[in-house]
Amino acid sequence: EDKVVQSPLSLVVHEGDTVTLNCSYEVTNFRSLLWYKQEKKAPTFLFMLTSSGIEKKSGRLSSILDKKELSSILNITATQTGDSAIYLCAMYSGNTGKLIFGQGTTLQVKP
Amino acid sequence: EAGVVQSPRYKIIEKKQPVAFWCNPISGHNTLYWYRQNLGQGPELLIRYENEEAVDDSQLPKDRFSAERLKGVDSTLKIQPAELGDSAVYLCASSHQGDAFFGQGTRLTVV
Repeated sequence: EDKVVQSPLSLVVHEGDTVTLNCSYEVTNFRSLLWYKQEKKAPTFLFMLTSSGIEKKSGRLSSILDKKELSSILNITATQTGDSAIYLCAMYSGNTGKLIFGQGTTLQVKP
Repeated sequence: EAGVVQSPRYKIIEKKQPVAFWCNPISGHNTLYWYRQNLGQGPELLIRYENEEAVDDSQLPKDRFSAERLKGVDSTLKIQPAELGDSAVYLCASSHQGDAFFGQGTRLTVV
């Protein structure tokens, strides 16, 4: 069964810290892995990682896909209070066409 | 480019009443998803459309939930009758090539 597991489930840091969020997956036919930031209601798209694009970076956020280990990390450097949110990892299965989400990591950045 | 549009943003109804949610996906996106998200959890897939065809509705509680996507564009999700446990955020997303973009969601409260 296709599955996505995120860790940790919650994290509290102080402004300026660097954080690493983890996502591991099991899938029969991997197509892409997506990261989202969810602040209030709607998840906001951050990155899409595929076999041909295993590393993405945007400002202080970066993400790497490790296809061998079936996992991905999301790094946030020099965290700010505005980074406080739930970070969701999702996997797109090429076989089923399903987009399956992990349970999310709740990040709180304290001043 | 307009994003995914959902309405209403909020809905409060009494149990046993019907309710409907509407979604307009990003233009050109053939894949449309409806997700339900409970507090502290990741989104859970209810139904996925490829154009006007529901290709995965295995998670949709068909005794009370129904969905349609006439002409392969807009979609509606209906609950009849609603139960207290249906209180959640209902998210619509559309996809083109392995990514997915979400609407603002509808927060449903059943009292």
